[in-house]
Amino acid sequence: GNSVTQMEGPVTLSEEAFLTINCTYTATGYPSLFWYVQYPGEGLQLLLKATKADDKGSNKGFEATYRKETTSFHLEKGSVQVSDSAVYFCALMSGNTGNQFYFGTGTSLTVIP
Amino acid sequence: NAGVTQTPKFQVLKTGQSMTLQCAQDMNHEYMSWYRQDPGMGLRLIHYSVGAGITDQGEVPNGYNVSRSTTEDFPLRLLSAAPSQTSVYFCASTPPGGPYTQYFGPGTRLTVL
Repeated sequence: GNSVTQMEGPVTLSEEAFLTINCTYTATGYPSLFWYVQYPGEGLQLLLKATKADDKGSNKGFEATYRKETTSFHLEKGSVQVSDSAVYFCALMSGNTGNQFYFGTGTSLTVIP
Repeated sequence: NAGVTQTPKFQVLKTGQSMTLQCAQDMNHEYMSWYRQDPGMGLRLIHYSVGAGITDQGEVPNGYNVSRSTTEDFPLRLLSAAPSQTSVYFCASTPPGGPYTQYFGPGTRLTVL
């Protein structure tokens, strides 16, 4: 079946620190992978995506590389800001299951000045 | 474009009451879905629809009904509310073709007493 496992939080970092949020997946076929971000009181917004192995998604300084050999899609940012405080969700979409999305449990990030 | 809209934003029900959560999108997306978000559980798919007149069950469909009479609207009905249905509900829509991205509404926070 399809599933996503991401590191548990909460994560607290100082401003300008390096961020890694781990995400691994199990999927049938060749899924597309996504990172979504949820700011307090809002819905989820797409942060970045990758649709095939070795693709790198990037946006707003965040990056993630689709690693088929390790079934991973870790989120990284070199220097976090207070405004990055949010909950981050890793997700996969598999065409083998009617284009359904499968989400991880979310990782809460707090960046302190 | 208004994107994906949801009403109401907040709702309190008593056990046994019924209600409908509204979801609408103006992007002409065929694929729409309903999720519930619970602490530590991430997002779980309740029901989804691949087009008007077509709906299917997701991971946690019990206690919920959906219908899709138009492309724009995808209401979620709680038949007899239970405290276990206290959650935040998100509606999402996906454009046709790839790579697929989900657009989320702002959510409805439901409390069942």
